[in-house]
Amino acid sequence: EDKVVQSPLSLVVHEGDTVTLNCSYEVTNFRSLLWYKQEKKAPTFLFMLTSSGIEKKSGRLSSILDKKELFSILNITATQTGDSAVYLCAVGSQTNDMRFGAGTRLTVKP
Amino acid sequence: DSGVTQTPKHLITATGQRVTLRCSPRSGDLSVYWYQQSLDQGLQFLIQYYNGEERAKGNILERFSAQQFPDLHSELNLSSLELGDSALYFCASSGTGTVPFGDYGYTFGSGTRLTVV
Repeated sequence: EDKVVQSPLSLVVHEGDTVTLNCSYEVTNFRSLLWYKQEKKAPTFLFMLTSSGIEKKSGRLSSILDKKELFSILNITATQTGDSAVYLCAVGSQTNDMRFGAGTRLTVKP
Repeated sequence: DSGVTQTPKHLITATGQRVTLRCSPRSGDLSVYWYQQSLDQGLQFLIQYYNGEERAKGNILERFSAQQFPDLHSELNLSSLELGDSALYFCASSGTGTVPFGDYGYTFGSGTRLTVV
């Protein structure tokens, strides 16, 4: 059965720390891996990764995919309290659905 | 505003009742996806429609059904409601069935919070 596993499930850090969130997957007919940030309501898109080894970067956030080892990491440097959220990893398949992990709840303390 | 509109935002109803959740996709998007998110649970894929036709089905209960209309809006019908159906229901949309995610993945609506009492 397809699955997406995120770790850790929760994380508490202080402002300025660097965090690494992990996502491993077993999905048949893999198409892409996506990261979302969910605060109060709707998840908002961060990155989509389709190729191994190519880092995607947006400000203090970056992500990379390893299709051989079936995992991705999301890095956040110089964390701020506004980074506090649930970070969701999702894997899209060729059959057009998307399977989400349970998420990592990040809390950044001042 | 993501462009995906879900109504109502909140719904409180009693066990055994039936409710309908509505979703209008982003302009131009042909695919609509429904997800359920229970407390402390990840997003569970329920069903996808593409241009009016069912395209993919996930863990959707038999008590639940959905459809997509010619104007591309979608409705999720939940019947014989149980306490365990209390959750946040998200609708998401994307461009086409052949390139389902584009460069931006799905666009999510703000969700409908359903409380069954």
